[in-house]
Amino acid sequence: DVKVTQSSRYLVKRTGEKVFLECVQDMDHENMFWYRQDPGLGLRLIYFSYDVKMKEKGDIPEGYSVSREKKERFSLILESASTNQTSMYLCAARAAGMGYEQYFGPGTRLTVT
Amino acid sequence: GQQVMQIPQYQHVQEGEDFTTYCNSSTTLSNIQWYKQRPGGHPVFLIQLVKSGEVKKQKRLTFQFGEAKKNSSLHITATQTTDVGTYFCAGPGNTGFQKLVFGTGTRLLVSP
Repeated sequence: DVKVTQSSRYLVKRTGEKVFLECVQDMDHENMFWYRQDPGLGLRLIYFSYDVKMKEKGDIPEGYSVSREKKERFSLILESASTNQTSMYLCAARAAGMGYEQYFGPGTRLTVT
Repeated sequence: GQQVMQIPQYQHVQEGEDFTTYCNSSTTLSNIQWYKQRPGGHPVFLIQLVKSGEVKKQKRLTFQFGEAKKNSSLHITATQTTDVGTYFCAGPGNTGFQKLVFGTGTRLLVSP
C-alpha cells in the first residue's frame, strides 16, 4: 500500500555539500510538494510542482531548488547545504482539483554538520 | 499573507480526559482538512469538512467547521494513549487552491 516514498530516512551531510532528496509517488497525482518541519514552526512549504517540469516557490524557497522530470518523481536539491537546513523534510502528493487529501512520505531527517 | 493558527500549541492530559484543538484562519476557507502525525511519523489525513457549520464524527473524534468557514475544531472524547500525536488543520491557499496551508499544529500527550 506504499504511496509516497523518500530515498532516505536519515541523512548526514557536511556544510557546503550538494544534497539531493528524492521522492517518488505511485498514485499518478499531478501535484507534489516539499515541506520542512521544525519544532514549533509546523509544516512550511518549500516548493511545489503541479505538473512535469512545472514548479512554484512556496514560503521558504531560499537555498533550495527542485526538479520534476517525470510525473512520479520530485527532487529537492540543496545547492550548498548549511547547518540551518538541518531539519525533517517531508514530501507529499495530491491529486489536482479541490478537496483531495494529501499523502505524505515517511520523511527524511537531514543533519548538516 | 494567509495564516492558519491553532491553539493550544501543546496539551498534556490524563487518559480518559477530553481534548479540543481550535483552528483559526485569517481568510475564509472553501474546505478544511485535518491530519494526525504520530511521534516519529508523517501526517495522515483524517477528514475533510466542506459546508458551513458542518459536524462530522469518527468514533471518539468530533470535527466542526465554523459558520463563517474561518475556524474549525477537533474534539476528542475520553482520550486514549493511542491519540498521542500532533494534529494539524489545513485549508486551500488563497493564491492557488492546489496548495494547502497548514496550521501550526497542536501536540497532544496522553498519560496513562
